Amino acid sequence: DAGVIQSPRHEVTEMGQEVTLRCKPISGHNSLFWYRQTMMRGLELLIYFNNNVPIDDSGMPEDRFSAKMPNASFSTLKIQPSEPRDSAVYFCASSFQGGNQPQHFGDGTRLSIL
Amino acid sequence: RKEVEQDPGPFNVPEGATVAFNCTYSNSASQSFFWYRQDCRKEPKLLMSVYSSGNEDGRFTAQLNRASQYISLLIRDSKLSDSATYLCVVTLYSSASKIIFGSGTRLSIRP
Repeated sequence: DAGVIQSPRHEVTEMGQEVTLRCKPISGHNSLFWYRQTMMRGLELLIYFNNNVPIDDSGMPEDRFSAKMPNASFSTLKIQPSEPRDSAVYFCASSFQGGNQPQHFGDGTRLSIL
Repeated sequence: RKEVEQDPGPFNVPEGATVAFNCTYSNSASQSFFWYRQDCRKEPKLLMSVYSSGNEDGRFTAQLNRASQYISLLIRDSKLSDSATYLCVVTLYSSASKIIFGSGTRLSIRP
């Protein structure tokens, strides 16, 4: 079975550039989550969707971050313009029904902003 | 006070030992609880859900204490492959689910 698929696996770019991270959830899962992980702050929930609708985006750091889920099988997280402090590992996860069900994580995108 | 707190460790124990760690949560309305493990430079993976009555999966036992607001994870007969960071997750229901990961407890099993 295909798990959560994220792309790219690694991204290195210069500050000021737009960064787009992509995620394909597990088929049949109706909840999708975006997380950011750093050594300093641990794993932080940025936003999550239920049935393609954003439910809680209180973790989105600022207006430079935006997330979309145009259909049940695809989501993007965009950072524009990117800054060095955005460097982190970004994980996407999906679950069958929100936070009360186990989440399955993708391999993550390791993002470095120079 | 953090909403979910874990002892960061590291816990360094010999192979075959029993080790336990706790995760405390501050909101009594918390509803769902999980333990995940995360290996270095890998994604978190579900270890087990935590049920009110407690549950066991092989060498792993999870307990929930609602009165004292903590969950625990016990690992018996620890293996070298158990070395990882263990994250607890608490889900709080309000108008929308709130999901909080603990910062993790590092466990190192030595031969």
